[in-house]
Amino acid sequence: QQPVQSPQAVILREGEDAVINCSSSKALYSVHWYRQKHGEAPVFLMILLKGGEQKGHEKISASFNEKKQQSSLYLTASQLSYSGTYFCGTVLSAGGTSYGKLTFGQGTILTVHP
Amino acid sequence: GAVVSQHPSWVICKSGTSVKIECRSLDFQATTMFWYRQFPKQSLMLMATSNEGSKATYEQGVEKDKFLINHASLTLSTLTVTSAHPEDSSFYICSAPDKTYEQYFGPGTRLTVT
Repeated sequence: QQPVQSPQAVILREGEDAVINCSSSKALYSVHWYRQKHGEAPVFLMILLKGGEQKGHEKISASFNEKKQQSSLYLTASQLSYSGTYFCGTVLSAGGTSYGKLTFGQGTILTVHP
Repeated sequence: GAVVSQHPSWVICKSGTSVKIECRSLDFQATTMFWYRQFPKQSLMLMATSNEGSKATYEQGVEKDKFLINHASLTLSTLTVTSAHPEDSSFYICSAPDKTYEQYFGPGTRLTVT
């Protein structure tokens, strides 16, 4: 049930764009995106709920295709601070025992060079 | 956003001893909290769901007698690693969802068992 992320790793130069994908074989209620720096806890980026939506703030945005059970994270004009490991977390259903239970993808390592 | 704290941030213990990790939601009530474990260069793996006033729900393969979870109040969940061994050394992270399903992660606790 673990969502699959692609690519596994991305290397960019400052200012370049990147897309990270997350796909699930199960119907999703929500998709959460996090960035984790080495030795730190994950930092919340955004949540997308079923209904197919897009969200974004500053130069980071995401979309959720409910029909395909896929989400994509878009990083534009990347900055050095964007480096880290990006995880998508999926929630299969709302309410009941699955309430809020996140299953994380394997992560995508993003490295931004000057 | 909401804040979740963890204590301690790191702990070193000898093999065979027990270690207690606290997770607190500082400015909201959390009837549900989640405990994750993360080994180096791996994703976060859900260990158990902590429910206030009832027994925790453990994921498959997680020993409930070894990882004791107590959710004593709406703002506190504790994870006790009993008879810890070196293979239990890991980064333990708790999280709590709010009513909008956004998950707030604690800063994590790094456990090293010698």
